[in-house]
Amino acid sequence: EAQVTQNPRYLITVTGKKLTVTCSQNMNHEYMSWYRQDPGLGLRQIYYSMNVEVTDKGDVPEGYKVSRKEKRNFPLILESPSPNQTSLYFCASSPILQGGFYEQYFGPGTRLTVT
Amino acid sequence: AQKVTQAQTEISVVEKEDVTLDCVYETRDTTYYLFWYKQPPSGELVFLIRRNSFDEQNEISGRYSWNFQKSTSSFNFTITASQVVDSAVYFCALSEAGQAGTALIFGKGTTLSVSS
Repeated sequence: EAQVTQNPRYLITVTGKKLTVTCSQNMNHEYMSWYRQDPGLGLRQIYYSMNVEVTDKGDVPEGYKVSRKEKRNFPLILESPSPNQTSLYFCASSPILQGGFYEQYFGPGTRLTVT
Repeated sequence: AQKVTQAQTEISVVEKEDVTLDCVYETRDTTYYLFWYKQPPSGELVFLIRRNSFDEQNEISGRYSWNFQKSTSSFNFTITASQVVDSAVYFCALSEAGQAGTALIFGKGTTLSVSS
């Protein structure tokens, strides 16, 4: 089954404790992205990757890191989480169309709480 | 700058009513893509439709239909004969072509509640 998976689905952690949220897709998509969803602010892009070893900042990259060592995986790293990073996180992937993008397929979401 | 506006924050209807969710977008690109996503109470984001800027043909899929009008920069979504299972948050989104890494720009979403 074609899908984007994220782990963990739920995480409660404390300020400053490094964590990684994994994301994996089995559709051989070039493009992968991380979003966060917050009440009243909607979904905002954190980082994206156009292909292996190619990553770039989205709208709200502060406090996050990513890597793309393999095409299928795109982990999100919070080196020193803070309470303002409490949010619902989505990973997404998409093939790249010449001059544009196809629809992005989203993972199930990771609900992160930082206390 | 690109922007997506969903003016309706919440809509409540009774089952079998028709309901239209409005979406107005702003972009300076001549080539762009519009999307609708559904987020049910379980939280996942489900892709519903993609529309290219050069294709203004309306689309119908079962009880769902979409009306794309470039003249008014709108991409409205209608659910015919709504059902309780249609209760969800619906997001309209925009992607501009030709810009590497362009994110999906989401509207704030419309929460649809369908009661029986």
